[in-house]
Amino acid sequence: DTAVSQTPKYLVTQMGNDKSIKCEQNLGHDTMYWYKQDSKKFLKIMFSYNNKELIINETVPNRFSPKSPDKAHLNLHINSLELGDSAVYFCASSQGLAPGELFFGEGSRLTVL
Amino acid sequence: KNEVEQSPQNLTAQEGEFITINCSYSVGISALHWLQQHPGGGIVSLFMLSSGKKKHGRLIATINIQEKHSSLHITASHPRDSAVYICAVPRSYNTDKLIFGTGTRLQVFP
Repeated sequence: DTAVSQTPKYLVTQMGNDKSIKCEQNLGHDTMYWYKQDSKKFLKIMFSYNNKELIINETVPNRFSPKSPDKAHLNLHINSLELGDSAVYFCASSQGLAPGELFFGEGSRLTVL
Repeated sequence: KNEVEQSPQNLTAQEGEFITINCSYSVGISALHWLQQHPGGGIVSLFMLSSGKKKHGRLIATINIQEKHSSLHITASHPRDSAVYICAVPRSYNTDKLIFGTGTRLQVFP
């Protein structure tokens, strides 16, 4: 039973399209995150949500819009995709605000052509 | 200069060797995380520690808060330990905002 699951795992799309990545956790955690890993494998936080409330928005373009319908789900919608958006996006969850142990999804590899 | 520096960037070892990966940081922190990223891309949390030492199987993590330094040791290394090891610290106290090192790529050969 996967603790943090992301879909889709792979996404290939054209520039200018809009796409979404979904994330769900069944750990009962109250905090969820989106991280971006670039081509150099460098991880960087994008957003964090605690109990459906946005806590961190790390200078991410407005084209990225996270949505948390409940504390078990955090989805990422990206408008007008650009080449530079190609990366692996990781969802993660933890209990509490100052992060405890992080549990990561398997990652969603987005390729923008 | 990165706020979180790891060394070495790449490490190769023979099976059975003792491995040490180092992490230095420049911010004040409440806790430090060690993560493992498998060749397939998945990320697993290995340790979160705020003082002293933690051990899990063949993995040992230590931290010196005064010196702002942490080490990850692997005893009796095995090819399945081959992965990228990443350390991460909060940007400041009591924040979610983790900043990550660039990772240490470890390859263990049989």
